[in-house]
Amino acid sequence: AQSVTQLGSHVSVSEGALVLLRCNYSSSVPPYLFWYVQYPNQGLQLLLKYTSAATLVKGINGFEAEFKKSETSFHLTKPSAHMSDAAEYFCAVSDPGGANNLFFGTGTRLTVIP
Amino acid sequence: GAVVSQHPSRVICKSGTSVKIECRSLDFQATTMFWYRQFPKQSLMLMATSNEGSKATYEQGVEKDKFLINHASLTLSTLTVTSAHPEDSSFYICSARRSRVTEAFFGQGTRLTVV
Repeated sequence: AQSVTQLGSHVSVSEGALVLLRCNYSSSVPPYLFWYVQYPNQGLQLLLKYTSAATLVKGINGFEAEFKKSETSFHLTKPSAHMSDAAEYFCAVSDPGGANNLFFGTGTRLTVIP
Repeated sequence: GAVVSQHPSRVICKSGTSVKIECRSLDFQATTMFWYRQFPKQSLMLMATSNEGSKATYEQGVEKDKFLINHASLTLSTLTVTSAHPEDSSFYICSARRSRVTEAFFGQGTRLTVV
């Protein structure tokens, strides 16, 4: 079974500061991992994904995440926060060998302070 | 990326009526579509998985007779909330993928309010 845990339901950063959103996963097989962003009353937009290739994954809008097997982590980072980054972020895991359904974390709301 | 369109984006209905939500893959054929439900300030909960031409697979605790899912073509899946009640009010999101090895793309969601 797969699951993800997102530490911190709310994160606040100042504009221009480093963004770090934490995600730890649990999986019985090598997982695929994803980060999605959701703006109010909208669907989810894929930021980036890890599918067993390079462990450092670069995504859209300047975000990146590093897959660390030893720590079972896939934390999302961005060097400099922008006001437009304020949104809800979801980490998700899937089992590529099975039904490939996505299992989502509980989400982290990012607030950017001007 | 591929485009998934969900309609309507918002719907208000009276208690006891049925509501149909459509999910369309606009520029690809989706062998599998997923339906999620999202409560305020919470994560997405998978309700069911539907494969074109076959019956949907519902997650535990989801009433299949209440949430009817039809995936009649490779570009369209519908979710019908039958005899809706206020507790069915939620944000419903669909996603679609071409195949098992490709990523899923999400619709923009439907806000259902039952009054």
